[in-house]
Amino acid sequence: EAQVTQNPRYLITVTGKKLTVTCSQNMNHEYMSWYRQDPGLGLRQIYYSMNVEVTDKGDVPEGYKVSRKEKRNFPLILESPSPNQTSLYFCASSLRWRETQYFGPGTRLLVL
Amino acid sequence: AQSVTQLDSQVPVFEEAPVELRCNYSSSVSVYLFWYVQYPNQGLQLLLKYLSGSTLVKGINGFEAEFNKSQTSFHLRKPSVHISDTAEYFCAVTTTNAGKSTFGDGTTLTVKP
Repeated sequence: EAQVTQNPRYLITVTGKKLTVTCSQNMNHEYMSWYRQDPGLGLRQIYYSMNVEVTDKGDVPEGYKVSRKEKRNFPLILESPSPNQTSLYFCASSLRWRETQYFGPGTRLLVL
Repeated sequence: AQSVTQLDSQVPVFEEAPVELRCNYSSSVSVYLFWYVQYPNQGLQLLLKYLSGSTLVKGINGFEAEFNKSQTSFHLRKPSVHISDTAEYFCAVTTTNAGKSTFGDGTTLTVKP
């Protein structure tokens, strides 16, 4: 089944404890992206990747890191999480950057 | 820089009534336009998109949208809504020269019996 998977789906952590949210797609898509969704703010793009080894900042990249070493994986790293990073995170992928994005199920993160 | 404004945060309608969800955008470069829907506790899925060509775009579940370049709008319409259309709807733009995507704040459509 063609899909975007994210792990974990739910995570509670404490301020400053490094964490990684994984994202994987099995559709051979070139483009991948991370978003955060907050009430009343819609989705805001954190980082995106046009292809392997090519990443760029979205609108809210502060406090996040990404890497794209393989086509299928695009992990989101929070080196030192803070409470303002409590949010619902979505990974998405598309065949190319102008095509339909397919979204993962979301990761709900709570930083205490 | 680009931005997307969804003019209504909440739209309540009765079943079988028509609905329009409004979206305006601004961008210094050309953009592609999308509408996504998010059902409760789910991820987003595409309703329709405009890349080029005819300005009237038809999507899934009976939705359609019209691209108006002069008014920089991309309003979503459905002639007769169902209870199952209750969801949050997002308008989004992606620049034609790069992969940056910007989403609106969302419009919650509530269809009442």
